[in-house]
Amino acid sequence: NAGVTQTPKFRVLKTGQSMTLLCAQDMNHEYMYWYRQDPGMGLRLIHYSVGEGTTAKGEVPDGYNVSRLKKQNFLLGLESAAPSQTSVYFCASSVGTASNQPQHFGDGTRLSIL
Amino acid sequence: GENVEQHPSTLSVQEGDSAVIKCTYSDSASNYFPWYKQELGKRPQLIIDIRSNVGEKKDQRIAVTLNKTAKHFSLHITETQPEDSAVYFCAAPLTGYSSASKIIFGSGTRLSIRP
Repeated sequence: NAGVTQTPKFRVLKTGQSMTLLCAQDMNHEYMYWYRQDPGMGLRLIHYSVGEGTTAKGEVPDGYNVSRLKKQNFLLGLESAAPSQTSVYFCASSVGTASNQPQHFGDGTRLSIL
Repeated sequence: GENVEQHPSTLSVQEGDSAVIKCTYSDSASNYFPWYKQELGKRPQLIIDIRSNVGEKKDQRIAVTLNKTAKHFSLHITETQPEDSAVYFCAAPLTGYSSASKIIFGSGTRLSIRP
């Protein structure tokens, strides 16, 4: 039982490049979330999904897109990377809504945009 | 919308002493308050949570108290040990139809335990 797995763990991009971050969970959780973590700012929600085939915007969605084609996977895409998107990205899942259930986090993806 | 403020941003305590971290929230309808611990370079992990139907919850050296009237909740760590050194985050849910399924995190407290 791996829990929440994120790939890749590290990535360096040039401005304007695109990439996709993958999150996979094996706990059969309905809810999945993408956060970014910047120094001194806690975790900020980018996008989330309440079930297969559904996605919704969080606090800071601009510049990102997501897809939840399979229940176990939640993909985060950067269409045209910008230096402001340099951050650590965490995926999380929960059996029910995070409003009343604990979240399980992946190990994070450290992304640098040059 | 919900606003969560966390204090202090840094905290240094002598090993064996107690540490207290406090969070305030703005949405009076919030009813679930988790605390996460994040060690350096690691993932955040839930250490304790509390629901609005209780005022206090304990798990060994860790306790959380909730004051719904004042809209604040606190994390208490007693008999601190070196492995308690980490960043701690509180969180509170957003309520309302358009905000369902989301929580807001505090900005974090970096706790250091002095030997």
